[in-house]
Amino acid sequence: DTEVTQTPKHLVMGMTNKKSLKCEQHMGHRAMYWYKQKAKKPPELMFVYSYEKLSINESVPSRFSPECPNSSLLNLHLHALQPEDSALYLCASSQDLAYEQYFGPGTRLTVT
Amino acid sequence: RKEVEQDPGPFNVPEGATVAFNCTYSNSASQSFFWYRQDCRKEPKLLMSVYSSGNEDGRFTAQLNRASQYISLLIRDSKLSDSATYLCVVKTNTGNQFYFGTGTSLTVIP
Repeated sequence: DTEVTQTPKHLVMGMTNKKSLKCEQHMGHRAMYWYKQKAKKPPELMFVYSYEKLSINESVPSRFSPECPNSSLLNLHLHALQPEDSALYLCASSQDLAYEQYFGPGTRLTVT
Repeated sequence: RKEVEQDPGPFNVPEGATVAFNCTYSNSASQSFFWYRQDCRKEPKLLMSVYSSGNEDGRFTAQLNRASQYISLLIRDSKLSDSATYLCVVKTNTGNQFYFGTGTSLTVIP
C-alpha cells in the first residue's frame, strides 16, 4: 500500500480565516513533506520532516505553520493567507530522506 | 543555473511512436534520480527510479549518464494513456533536497 491521504480535497477560505490541511500515511515512512504547486509549474518544496523533526523550511512565510504530531500525521496550519497562496498543496512521504516520495492527492486551496 | 533542466515540450506524438525525454542536472554530487508522471489536476505519481545501470519497466526505459549529468526516459509504443506531464527529480547528497524539473508535456494523438 503506497497511499498518502489528504483532507480536505478542496478548501476555500478568506484572508482572515484559520484553517488546517491534514496528511496521513500508514506506510511506516519516516520523512514527510509539504509542497505547493501552481498551475503548469512543478511542485515547490515548503517543509520537510524527518523522524518527526523539522528538517527543511524553505523560507516559507510564517502564515504557513507545519506540525508533525506523530510519525503518521502531518498538518499545515494556515492563517491570514493571501490570494496568491491559492494553489494545490501536496503532501508526500518517503521511507527515509534518500528514498522515492509518494504523493497524496493534494488539497486545492482557494483564498478569496 | 537551475539544479535540474528539462525541455518543457510539448511533445505531440502519434500512437505507437517512440519518444524520449532528457533531463540534465547541475550538481555532480546528485545521488538519486526518479521519473514521475503527473496527469492534469492530479498528484505526481512515481513512474520509476533511475539506476546507474539503466532500468526497464515494460515500455519504459530509464537511463543515467553520470559523466554528462543527464537522465533520460524512453517510451516505446506510445499509448493514448501515456499523455501526461513527465517530471524528472534529482536528489543531492547535501541537504537532502529533491529538485524537480519543470516537466515535459506529452500528448499522444490517435
